[in-house]
Amino acid sequence: QVQLQESGPGLVKPSQTLSLTCSVSGGSITIGSYYWSWIRQPAGKGLEWIGRIYISGSTNYNPSLKSRVTISLDTSKNQFSLKVSSVTAADTAVYYCATSYSSGQFDPWGQGTLVTVSS
Amino acid sequence: QSVLTQPPSASGTPGQRVTISCSGSNSNIGSNYVYWYQHLPGTAPKLLISRNNQRPSGVPDRFSGSKSGTSASLAISGLRSEDEADYYCAAWDDSLSGVVFGGGTKLTAL
Repeated sequence: QVQLQESGPGLVKPSQTLSLTCSVSGGSITIGSYYWSWIRQPAGKGLEWIGRIYISGSTNYNPSLKSRVTISLDTSKNQFSLKVSSVTAADTAVYYCATSYSSGQFDPWGQGTLVTVSS
Repeated sequence: QSVLTQPPSASGTPGQRVTISCSGSNSNIGSNYVYWYQHLPGTAPKLLISRNNQRPSGVPDRFSGSKSGTSASLAISGLRSEDEADYYCAAWDDSLSGVVFGGGTKLTAL
């Protein structure tokens, strides 16, 4: 069973770039037909899909975040990463990584990591 | 404002049957599968229903999903206190080329 674990700074200053990594264990990130996704949840709000990447390198992003988001794969480390540029307090959230083989289906998920944007 | 519309709250007494609705449009629910997630505070969301009405291994058969047109529903029969959680629906949206979630429904067992 694949397991995912998010890591990265818990505090980011406004206008800087948020960077998170999701480490995949129990299976190869190069497994065909799987998408590797990022999802976030601001405090007191619902889930928001950020984007996904396929093993081919093809990406899809939430249109509302597309101009600031980059998702990439590092197959040598069996990891994938998220970068969100020009962050503001509105980007404060618990960030989850997840995998899926069908659009909209996320299973499993990482445990989540809280990122706070504050000076 | 979420693309998929869910009631913000739902409640029921133990043993009761509760349903949670999820309303969308032709570009999401109307043309793609619907998924349901259960989210307990401090934990990762859990896939509850896959492809409109399929239960992943380990999910009790008290949980069931259905879809009709541009709407979907999650039903929980024999409500238990441990079912208290936030529930989210999700689907791919062809117009947005992305996944959209409902705003979530907080279920309370009275």
